[in-house]
Amino acid sequence: RKEVEQDPGPFNVPEGATVAFNCTYSNSASQSFFWYRQDCRKEPKLLMSVYSSGNEDGRFTAQLNRASQYISLLIRDSKLSDSATYLCAVNMAGGGNKLTFGTGTQLKVEL
Amino acid sequence: GAVVSQHPSWVICKSGTSVKIECRSLDFQATTMFWYRQFPKQSLMLMATSNEGSKATYEQGVEKDKFLINHASLTLSTLTVTSAHPEDSSFYICSARLKVPYNEQFFGPGTRLTVL
Repeated sequence: RKEVEQDPGPFNVPEGATVAFNCTYSNSASQSFFWYRQDCRKEPKLLMSVYSSGNEDGRFTAQLNRASQYISLLIRDSKLSDSATYLCAVNMAGGGNKLTFGTGTQLKVEL
Repeated sequence: GAVVSQHPSWVICKSGTSVKIECRSLDFQATTMFWYRQFPKQSLMLMATSNEGSKATYEQGVEKDKFLINHASLTLSTLTVTSAHPEDSSFYICSARLKVPYNEQFFGPGTRLTVL
């Protein structure tokens, strides 16, 4: 089992749709969780840190489910500009300050 | 805040040459920086952790003599790809860790290396 797993997609959704991605992690003692956005041939940009209580930033909501060992990202009212690859990252227990990244989920928002 | 720069943006070089990539944290001090490599359509792979004032910690399978890392100050880490070969062609990205408040990593814009 991979340490951090994501469905690669692509998820093709119409503009205005609500879409959600999950990311599962293998180490139950993992400590910190993040969502990054990566555009084609660009660097990842931090989208959100995922707090234990969940957090919301505008159209984006992140949740952490420790019991089932996954984090989720919900995007409401999708925009064309949301088209990108969304990477989850986990600070694995015992990994020091390193982040382990999933392979990313590709989102395509269409007219 | 939390801006990381990386230079050069892209490099094309001949096989056998060495290439140096710089990573700078512009508005914060970073005791820890990370170097990643990403091949097309693949995820980020951590190569090494760069620690200011001490030796870098390399991931399994990464040759430390080929990928030389120097973290000379709290705002600068360099990666030198020595005797580059075509299989080293990749997208190299650094990140810097912002300890407070959530231990997040911020990425530089990356360096696209093409070895002919």
